[in-house]
Amino acid sequence: EIVLTQSPATLSLSPGERATLSCRASQSVSNFLAWYQQKPGQAPRLLIYDASNRATGIPARFTGSGSGTDFTLTISSLEPEDFAFYYCQHRTNWPWRTFGQGTEVQIK
Amino acid sequence: EVQLVESGGGLVKPGGSLRLSCAASGFTFSVYTMSWVRQAPGKGLEWVSSIAGSSNTYIHYADSVKGRFTISRDDAQNSVYLQMNSLRAEDAALYYCAREDYGDYYFDSWGQGTLVTVSP
Repeated sequence: EIVLTQSPATLSLSPGERATLSCRASQSVSNFLAWYQQKPGQAPRLLIYDASNRATGIPARFTGSGSGTDFTLTISSLEPEDFAFYYCQHRTNWPWRTFGQGTEVQIK
Repeated sequence: EVQLVESGGGLVKPGGSLRLSCAASGFTFSVYTMSWVRQAPGKGLEWVSSIAGSSNTYIHYADSVKGRFTISRDDAQNSVYLQMNSLRAEDAALYYCAREDYGDYYFDSWGQGTLVTVSP
């Protein structure tokens, strides 16, 4: 089973700064990787699918990149509403739906 | 607008059973794969189970629930269910209903969740 490892566990930044989140797979997942945002008390929201495609309604400041084993979610300029938890998820092989442990983006 | 509304959570003793429901609206329910994803308090996301839409026939379970949980759907009622038996303390979590899209296996819409507590 492929394991996804996200880093850092916590990212402390100020509004307006650039956020770079990492997700590393224990073996290649090709480009079959998604990113989700979860704010406290809310359900997750799909941001990016297939590594670099923004889901419907997702602002352009969210960019996904990478392939194989190394992936990045970049938030170009943090808005106040972007401070949240972020999870990656792959769909390469069984069980087809595995999440990373998450990265918290918190206000510095 | 896609809406998913879960219900059925509550307090149950270890070894007990619970049936979760998810009522869907705002889309053609029958064609979509539907899933349950859970989140223990203060923890990350864990996929639980999925049931395919009309174009496919699979049912998938996470190893942690296989043999104890059963997923089902009623396309006439636009609903998906999760029957949970032999509940354990580690099953305690917020259970989300989610729709899969973008080629399946990605969760593009989520409900607000229903809380399951397992305690003596």
